Amino acid sequence: QKEVEQDPGPLSVPEGAIVSLNCTYSNSAFQYFMWYRQYSRKGPELLMYTYSSGNKEDGRFTAQVDKSSKYISLFIRDSQPSDSATYLCAMSGSGGYNKLIFGAGTRLAVHP
Amino acid sequence: DAGVTQSPTHLIKTRGQQVTLRCSPKSGHDTVSWYQQALGQGPQFIFQYYEEEERQRGNFPDRFSGHQFPNYSSELNVNALLLGDSALYLCASSAGDRGLSPLHFGNGTRLTVT
Repeated sequence: QKEVEQDPGPLSVPEGAIVSLNCTYSNSAFQYFMWYRQYSRKGPELLMYTYSSGNKEDGRFTAQVDKSSKYISLFIRDSQPSDSATYLCAMSGSGGYNKLIFGAGTRLAVHP
Repeated sequence: DAGVTQSPTHLIKTRGQQVTLRCSPKSGHDTVSWYQQALGQGPQFIFQYYEEEERQRGNFPDRFSGHQFPNYSSELNVNALLLGDSALYLCASSAGDRGLSPLHFGNGTRLTVT
């Protein structure tokens, strides 16, 4: 079993839809949680990062962490075709934002 | 403000050869980490450099080695290349080695081993 599980998709939604992306994990020592967006042939781009549990909002993006369920989510409101990419969740333990463990990524396609 | 830059963009090597990949961190960053991303997978941590020393290492063989220079730039060296080393190699930088700031990634070097 992988430490971080992420549904690979692909997930296809119409423009304007609310998108929910999720990851589950098995290591209860994880405290730092991140979401990266990766366009084809590009490196991962940091979207959101949080420490411990709770919600964090930034524009159309909301990140949620539920440590009791070992479950994190990224919500995208009013999705746009430019949001079409692979979304990677990442997490780490007491070492802070170092030595990240990534999920395999979910491919998202937003069609006009 | 330049972000993380990596060179070359693409590289084709033959089994058994050696390769060197280069990375310049984002301005203001002094810590460099390297990740390997196989096709369809998430990145896997190789190692981290700070103050010109390897500080942490992932589950990669000794064929993978690195170096950090006084200007904080870094190199990743892979010896005795295997077909399975074909992947996107990503460099990430951050400020300090205590993990208080998240990683910023470059666009990677795509290595193909034939």
